[in-house]
Amino acid sequence: DIQLTQSPSSLSASVGDRVTITCRASQDIDIYLAWFQQKPGKAPKSLIYAASSLHSGVPSNFSGNGYGTDFTLTIRSLQPEDFATYYCQQYNTYPLTFGPGTRVDIK
Amino acid sequence: QVQLQQWGAGLLKPSETLSLTCTVYGGSFSGYYWSWVRQPPGKGLEWIGEINHSGSTYYSPSLKSRVTVSADTSKNQFSLKLISVTAADTAVYYCARAPLVGSTRRSYDYWGQGTLVTVSS
Repeated sequence: DIQLTQSPSSLSASVGDRVTITCRASQDIDIYLAWFQQKPGKAPKSLIYAASSLHSGVPSNFSGNGYGTDFTLTIRSLQPEDFATYYCQQYNTYPLTFGPGTRVDIK
Repeated sequence: QVQLQQWGAGLLKPSETLSLTCTVYGGSFSGYYWSWVRQPPGKGLEWIGEINHSGSTYYSPSLKSRVTVSADTSKNQFSLKLISVTAADTAVYYCARAPLVGSTRRSYDYWGQGTLVTVSS
């Protein structure tokens, strides 16, 4: 199975801060990496697919980058509604796997 | 507007069978992968399995012996069955859709609302 690690596991930030979350895969997954946002008690929301493509309706404040084994999710200017947990997922190889999540909360 | 609406029993006893169904509204059933993902209380997301447009299924190795994902295209529905449940299967279960674009599977674009399934004697 392909293992995904995320760093940091949690972070505290202020509104307006630039935030970057890293996802590292244990094997080459090409560009088949997605990012999801989840708020407490809610279903995940799809943000990014194919490492850097934004899903329809996702603000351009979010961006993704990477290829192979190293990927990043960047929030350019943190907004109040962005405080949540973020998960990466690889869909290059079965079984599909998720990262452990990165919690972003208010400083 | 695409909606995935899921339902099923929320309270099970150990050794019983978990059954959940997800109905797709507002979109085609063909040309997609249909997935199940779960999340134990306070923990991260775990992929369970999925079925694709041609009926092929893929499962998590840790659940493969107990899980079945099936689809009824005439009803725009797909289902999850997990046999012999234990307390470790207590989780919120989500259904999700992944588009097939050309020959390339994308990641999920729509999710169901989630169903909390509790396994307790």
